[in-house]
Order: sequence, then structure tokens, then C-alpha cells
Amino acid sequence: DAGVTQSPTHLIKTRGQHVTLRCSPISGHKSVSWYQQVLGQGPQFIFQYYEKEERGRGNFPDRFSARQFPNYSSELNVNALLLGDSALYLCASSWGMGSGTDTQYFGPGTRLTVL
Amino acid sequence: GDSVTQMEGPVTLSEEAFLTINCTYTATGYPSLFWYVQYPGEGLQLLLKATKADDKGSNKGFEATYRKETTSFHLEKGSVQVSDSAVYFCALSPGSSYKLIFGSGTRLLVRP
Repeated sequence: DAGVTQSPTHLIKTRGQHVTLRCSPISGHKSVSWYQQVLGQGPQFIFQYYEKEERGRGNFPDRFSARQFPNYSSELNVNALLLGDSALYLCASSWGMGSGTDTQYFGPGTRLTVL
Repeated sequence: GDSVTQMEGPVTLSEEAFLTINCTYTATGYPSLFWYVQYPGEGLQLLLKATKADDKGSNKGFEATYRKETTSFHLEKGSVQVSDSAVYFCALSPGSSYKLIFGSGTRLLVRP
């Protein structure tokens, strides 16, 4: 079975631009979470979507938004890009809400560079 | 708030050496604990997990025991291989929550 897929692999943008990142979960998984991993740090939780509804949000500004589609794929949007948004953006999927008994599986990530 | 603290790296070992990577956590309630591994250029892979106190997670020769009394979840392996070179992340999931809270990661380099 295919794992979590993300696109694009790499992306270069300039300050002030907008970016859309995409994620396809493992078949049968209904939950998608987004994480930001700045170089040299651990991933930070941004959003979780379950059954197309936002179920949780981390401490990120309103420039960050996301949505989940009927096929459970997801998009992460970032407006008015800042240099500090440069990071690896990771998507994780799980069957349910992703609590301790429900494993989250991560995709390879999208490397965003903001110049 | 909830948090995870890992020993700083890099940790450099010779092949077949014993590995310990320390991880301690702060959390209310009863979190689940995880170790994830990130190989160069790849995403995170779940290595092992434990969902309650005194549980031992194990996989591929790695082990970690959920110690509530010391709020720790140290990762161990008896004999490391060059292929174990990667960044290891300790993480927790709060008792009633879905999100993962990660430590800052520990880079392991195993030399032949």
C-alpha cells in the first residue's frame, strides 16, 4: 500500500507570497495532521483534521490555514510568507483521531524555502 | 504545558556499541510516549511506542520503558549498526489529545 504522499517535494517562494502544500493520506485513514519542522528542531503541531473538520490547532498565526477534502486529502495554505516560515512541512495520517493507541504515519515532507 | 526533553547530540558510537538516548517528559494526565526516527532526506518513522506506565516498547532491537515515577522514556539498543545513523525524536501524546509533542531530536552517528 502507498504511504502518505506529499507534494511538492521542494518549493522556493519569496516573502509575501502565498503557498499551498498538499497531502494524501494512507488509504482508509480519515485523519490528517500538519507539522512544521524548522531545521535542527523537532516538529511543531499546526493542525489536525478528522472527517473533514478541524479538530485541533497549534500555536500558529492566522496566516496558516488548512482544509480536508471528501477523499480525506488535505491542503495547508500559508499566506504572506515570512523568512521564518522556511521549514520542512510534514503531513501525518491516522485511521482515527491519532491518540496514543492510533499510530500517526508521516509523509516525506515538503521543504519550503522563503527568500 | 506538556513538553519533552532529550539529550543533546550528536551521539557518536562505534558499531556494536551500546546506545542510550535519554528522554524525559512533563505532562498532566497519562500521555502515550513514542520514539520516531528520521533518516537523512526522509520523513519520520515510528520506531516504538508505549501507552501506559511500565509498558516496554520494542522494535528492531530498540527498547524503551515508560517510567512514570521518573517521567522518562529512554531509548536503548544493545548493539548499534552503521545503518542506525539517523535523528531520533522522543514524543508524547497527551492523554485525551491527538497531537504529538516532540523533543528537539538527537542525532546518532555510528562509525564502522
